[in-house]
Amino acid sequence: EVQLQESGPGLVKPSQSLSLTCSVTGYSITSNYWGWIRKFPGNKMEWMGYISYSGSTSYNPSLKSRISITRDTSKNQFFLQLNSVTTEDTATYYCARYRREFDYWGQGVMVTVSS
Amino acid sequence: DVVLTQTPPTLLATIGQSVSISCRSSQSLLHSNGNTYLNWLLQRTGQSPQPLIYLVSKLESGVPNRFSGSGSGTDFTLKISGVEAEDLGVYYCMQFTHYPFTFGSGTKLEIK
Repeated sequence: EVQLQESGPGLVKPSQSLSLTCSVTGYSITSNYWGWIRKFPGNKMEWMGYISYSGSTSYNPSLKSRISITRDTSKNQFFLQLNSVTTEDTATYYCARYRREFDYWGQGVMVTVSS
Repeated sequence: DVVLTQTPPTLLATIGQSVSISCRSSQSLLHSNGNTYLNWLLQRTGQSPQPLIYLVSKLESGVPNRFSGSGSGTDFTLKISGVEAEDLGVYYCMQFTHYPFTFGSGTKLEIK
């Protein structure tokens, strides 16, 4: 069974970088696409970007040059880095597999940006 | 960006009632390859979102057939024929036709 699990710090200071890891079991990240999505307080959801089976990436332009998604195929993990965070980046962050849709999701990690 | 407008924002239903959620797009979601990449997801409280429907009307494996999707172009509908208690949560439409992928604003289904 495909399982994804996010990990990373729950608290980040403004202007610093947010770094999260998504560990995948039951499926190789060298197939399909692997994305990051966040849910803000309230119901708003935002697609942040994905990394493909080949390592190519696509990002939401709203995140401009602040975002980077990378991977380690030997560990079957992919990563999110978001630079220069502000309080507006406070959200629950999810990783998910993208095939015909986001069909498998991690449980999510809540990240608060605060000094 | 494509804006997906969901209505109503909140839905109050009794068990067994049939309900519908609308998702209207700011532009056509028909892709040049002929597919329409409009999906529906449900997020129950305290859980991750789970997929319900993809390509407008195709039911994800394991999803009860009381869920159905329809629509084309810019107007889409999710219907639940006979709400059950386990259906409560927030429903989202999401489009993959245009970059960046975008979500609807969500519809919270509450059970009376």
